[in-house]
Amino acid sequence: GQNIDQPTEMTATEGAIVQINCTYQTSGFNGLFWYQQHAGEAPTFLSYNVLDGLEEKGRFSSFLSRSKGYSYLLLKELQMKDSASYLCAGMDSNYQLIWGAGTKLIIKP
Amino acid sequence: TAGITQAPTSQILAAGRSMTLRCTQDMRHNAMYWYRQDLGLGLRLIHYSNTAGTTGKGEVPDGYSVSRANTDDFPLTLASAVPSQTSVYFCASSPGTSGRVSNEQFFGPGTRLTVL
Repeated sequence: GQNIDQPTEMTATEGAIVQINCTYQTSGFNGLFWYQQHAGEAPTFLSYNVLDGLEEKGRFSSFLSRSKGYSYLLLKELQMKDSASYLCAGMDSNYQLIWGAGTKLIIKP
Repeated sequence: TAGITQAPTSQILAAGRSMTLRCTQDMRHNAMYWYRQDLGLGLRLIHYSNTAGTTGKGEVPDGYSVSRANTDDFPLTLASAVPSQTSVYFCASSPGTSGRVSNEQFFGPGTRLTVL
């Protein structure tokens, strides 16, 4: 079957660094997406990885290991506005996204 | 640019009634999607359309139907609503369907539906 696993909730301190992990099992693989979703709002795109390695975009970086079925999202210099849910989604062989339940990130001052 | 819009924002519906959730995008995207999002679960795909005139079933299609008469609109219809269809519904679109960063999905603001 297809499955995406990520922690339900994480807590971090403003200014610190946090890593949100995601493991995936998809029928075929056409990339791994990360989205951010603030409470009551729509998901918005953060990053996409299809090759192994690290993709950096400002304070956010995303890593992929296809052999391990593993990805992480790294958030640096945390700000209060980063409090949100972070959704991991794998794209299967039919180019459909399989979504994790999301990781709720709580930032404390 | 409006992007992708949904209507209504929220709705309370009596069980057994029918309802159509509207979704319109102005980005000329080929692909469109309907998801439902429930607490503790990931987004689940209901129906999708890779291009105007075609539709396909997602993970949870039962009780829902869609049409794609043109590029911009992708309405979702509940023929006879049941309480288990209480959820937040998101419409999304993407330029294409292949696995590329340029094919990220853009989401509408969502419709919060309660079926009593």
